[in-house]
Amino acid sequence: DTGVSQDPRHKITKRGQNVTFRCDPISEHNRLYWYRQTLGQGPEFLTYFQNEAQLEKSRLLSDRFSAERPKGSFSTLEIQRTEQGDSAMYLCASSLLGGLNEQFFGPGTRLTVL
Amino acid sequence: GNSVTQMEGPVTLSEEAFLTINCTYTATGYPSLFWYVQYPGEGLQLLLKATKADDKGSNKGFEATYRKETTSFHLEKGSVQVSDSAVYFCALPSGAGSYQLTFGKGTKLSVIP
Repeated sequence: DTGVSQDPRHKITKRGQNVTFRCDPISEHNRLYWYRQTLGQGPEFLTYFQNEAQLEKSRLLSDRFSAERPKGSFSTLEIQRTEQGDSAMYLCASSLLGGLNEQFFGPGTRLTVL
Repeated sequence: GNSVTQMEGPVTLSEEAFLTINCTYTATGYPSLFWYVQYPGEGLQLLLKATKADDKGSNKGFEATYRKETTSFHLEKGSVQVSDSAVYFCALPSGAGSYQLTFGKGTKLSVIP
């Protein structure tokens, strides 16, 4: 399967703990995106990479959040000192450089902060 | 910035009924428009797209036409099936470089036999 993969699929943590999620995009895709989706809402943009460069960050991405894509392939999203409000589905997507910005999404990581 | 307003659900239809989910947009220029579908417990899948005015996107019996005059991109299907039960999202590129997608709130469709 050459789709976008995310790990873990589910994460339960206690408030104040740090968590890290991984995303593996479609191999030839240069662009990688992170979104957050809360219950009953559409996904909201968090950040965007073109190859290894992080080019755009949403205001939603507080200083407790950090994302990396060190070699332009997989990406990680870390949340430090988690809060209950961080509970959500974290979605990763990838796309080709240029074109229509047709983004392909992974299955998501569901985070529950107790 | 660019935004979409999507018909709120939930929508419940009987099998073989006609489906319309309304989506209107506000945008600078004429961006591509997308419909994504999210089945229970899964990520989003691109359902269809349109790149310019009067384009019709279609896939799996679903259609949507890019209407510049009414700034709309309504999703339609002539005969829904139980397997179409899902949440449907309208989306368009937005932000400084049009890299990100802005989504509607989603419309939950339930099809009953």
